Amino acid sequence: SQTIHQWPATLVQPVGSPLSLECTVEGTSNPNLYWYRQAAGRGLQLLFYSVGIGQISSEVPQNLSASRPQDRQFILSSKKLLLSDSGFYLCAWGRALDSRRGTEAFFGQGTRLTVV
Amino acid sequence: AQSVAQPEDQVNVAEGNPLTVKCTYSVSGNPYLFWYVQYPNRGLQFLLKYITGDNLVKGSYGFEAEFNKSQTSFHLKKPSALVSDSALYFCAVRDQTGANNLFFGTGTRLTVIP
Repeated sequence: SQTIHQWPATLVQPVGSPLSLECTVEGTSNPNLYWYRQAAGRGLQLLFYSVGIGQISSEVPQNLSASRPQDRQFILSSKKLLLSDSGFYLCAWGRALDSRRGTEAFFGQGTRLTVV
Repeated sequence: AQSVAQPEDQVNVAEGNPLTVKCTYSVSGNPYLFWYVQYPNRGLQFLLKYITGDNLVKGSYGFEAEFNKSQTSFHLKKPSALVSDSALYFCAVRDQTGANNLFFGTGTRLTVIP
């Protein structure tokens, strides 16, 4: 079966410090990978998605970047955090099958980031 | 462009009563629709999806959803609510461009009152 791991669960970082959140998927190959941010416990905003190694698409301009150095690894980074980067970050994966466009996404447990 | 709307920020229902969480959608082609549930400080859990076929879709934990094409709705339902159903519920629609992205509604907080 497939599993997704996301860490750390919580993180408190000072303004201006770097950020690295990691997400890995097990039990599948060539997944689509996603980073979402959830602000104030409500709506989810898609930040980045990746359909393959080294392929990153950004949905919104921001202080963050993403990388996919391996097939099942997705990293969210920042060189200098802003207060506005605080939020709940969720990694997700989905099957990359053209014939099954109705596949759901599976989420990690999330990282609560507080920038102070 | 595709989008979903959840018109209710908050839904309260008494334990044992039926519950409905509303969702309407807007897509240019065939809709692929999903419901997720989120418990505090946790990731989203998939409940059910509509791709094609029967308009009534059954999912996890006794939930079901009814796809209504004429009303462009996909309401989540459960015949008898449990206190443990209290959570944040998200409706989502799949991206039509092939990247398989999901776009979410703003969420509805369900509170089941004992």
